[in-house]
Amino acid sequence: AQKITQTQPGMFVQEKEAVTLDCTYDTSDQSYGLFWYKQPSSGEMIFLIYQGSYDEQNATEGRYSLNFQKARKSANLVISASQLGDSAMYFCAMREPSGSARQLTFGSGTQLTVLP
Amino acid sequence: DSGVTQTPKHLITATGQRVTLRCSPRSGDLSVYWYQQSLDQGLQFLIQYYNGEERAKGNILERFSAQQFPDLHSELNLSSLELGDSALYFCASSPGGNTEAFFGQGTRLTVV
Repeated sequence: AQKITQTQPGMFVQEKEAVTLDCTYDTSDQSYGLFWYKQPSSGEMIFLIYQGSYDEQNATEGRYSLNFQKARKSANLVISASQLGDSAMYFCAMREPSGSARQLTFGSGTQLTVLP
Repeated sequence: DSGVTQTPKHLITATGQRVTLRCSPRSGDLSVYWYQQSLDQGLQFLIQYYNGEERAKGNILERFSAQQFPDLHSELNLSSLELGDSALYFCASSPGGNTEAFFGQGTRLTVV
């Protein structure tokens, strides 16, 4: 079974509008971390936001917020006031404390295009 | 700038050859991770080192190996290269624990 599922291969949003990118995850651990990364066409992976499984409040970083619904196992990324520079691939990832490893498992990504 | 440095940025080589990718982690980060991003497999974890020791292995082929040196930089060695090894190879570092990992800019490997 997929550990991280991103069901939207592509999304379009009008500049200055808000957009939500979906992410669901599957884990039996109680302690885990959820991450979102942005990959522009230049290729680098840019860390955006982190949510710990025990965090009671949704994480926010500037225009990015994470809508964390633990019971539904979802961790959607909300980008407010979209900008043209937000056009990129967005990846949701999870880190589980399996033994001493701390690697990330990534979803397949969502390609976001911001329209002028 | 994430603080993680990868060299080279681009590499073109022939099948059957051997290459070495280099990664310098952020200052103070003890953990180094290697990931492979290809069109058909997506982003896949290869291997992790922590303070010089191998900590975890993912979908890493036997033709691939890595090490982390005392100064904490890491190298990923890819040998007997095949066309299917063409991919973007990322190094990431983190201080440890359940914290975010910061990625380098990647090395784009093309095997011809």
